[in-house]
Amino acid sequence: SQQGEEDPQALSIQEGENATMNCSYKTSINNLQWYRQNSGRGLVHLILIRSNEREKHSGRLRVTLDTSKKSSSLLITASRAADTASYFCATCSGNTGKLIFGQGTTLQVKP
Amino acid sequence: DGGITQSPKYLFRKEGQNVTLSCEQNLNHDAMYWYRQDPGQGLRLIYYSQIVNDFQKGDIAEGYSVSREKKESFPLTVTSAQKNPTAFYLCASSSDHSGANVLTFGAGSRLTVL
Repeated sequence: SQQGEEDPQALSIQEGENATMNCSYKTSINNLQWYRQNSGRGLVHLILIRSNEREKHSGRLRVTLDTSKKSSSLLITASRAADTASYFCATCSGNTGKLIFGQGTTLQVKP
Repeated sequence: DGGITQSPKYLFRKEGQNVTLSCEQNLNHDAMYWYRQDPGQGLRLIYYSQIVNDFQKGDIAEGYSVSREKKESFPLTVTSAQKNPTAFYLCASSSDHSGANVLTFGAGSRLTVL
C-alpha cells in the first residue's frame, strides 16, 4: 500500500533555482520523513518532521507539514547539480515503526 | 565505520531457482527491513523484524522468506514462488529515536531473472 503520493513526478531546474516537491498522504501519522536516492543507490535520510510540527529547516532544506490537508512539502533552496536525485517522502503511523514510502520525485538540476 | 552491507550487489537467477540476499549491520539496531523497488517506483515493504527471532510480513511478502537468528543479520530468500522477482532490493535498519523511526539503508542488491 502506498501512503504517500508525490508531485511532481519529475522536475528539471537550473542550478541556483529553488526546487519544491509535494507529498500527500491518506491516514493520520506520527511523523513524516524525506529521503534522497542517487541513481542505483540506497536511500539517505534527510529530515523528519513530527505530526505536531509545522515547519523544519536543515541547511538548504525546508520541510512543511499541514496535517489538516494531509500534505507536506520539501523545498531545496539554491539548488546545485549535486542535488540531482530522487526524493521520497515516507510516513510513519501507529506503533509498528513501519515506514510507507511515496512514489518519489526525480529532480534534475542542470549546471 | 558503522553501516549496512548488502551482498551481492548484482545477482542473476534462472527461473525456478531460489536465491538469498545478504544484509548485515553493525549499527546495533534492533529493527531491520526489506524493501523492493521497481523502476520509477517507490519502495514496497516485504518483511520486517523488530527483534531477534521475530519477524512480520509486509505488504508484498508472498514468494519471499526471511530469518532473524542474529541481531546483525537479516537475509532475504527470493523463492521460485515469486512470479516477478526482477527488482532492486533494499535492506534497512533502525533504532527508535524518541518515537521516530529513521531508517539507515544499504546500497541495494539488483536481482535479474534470466
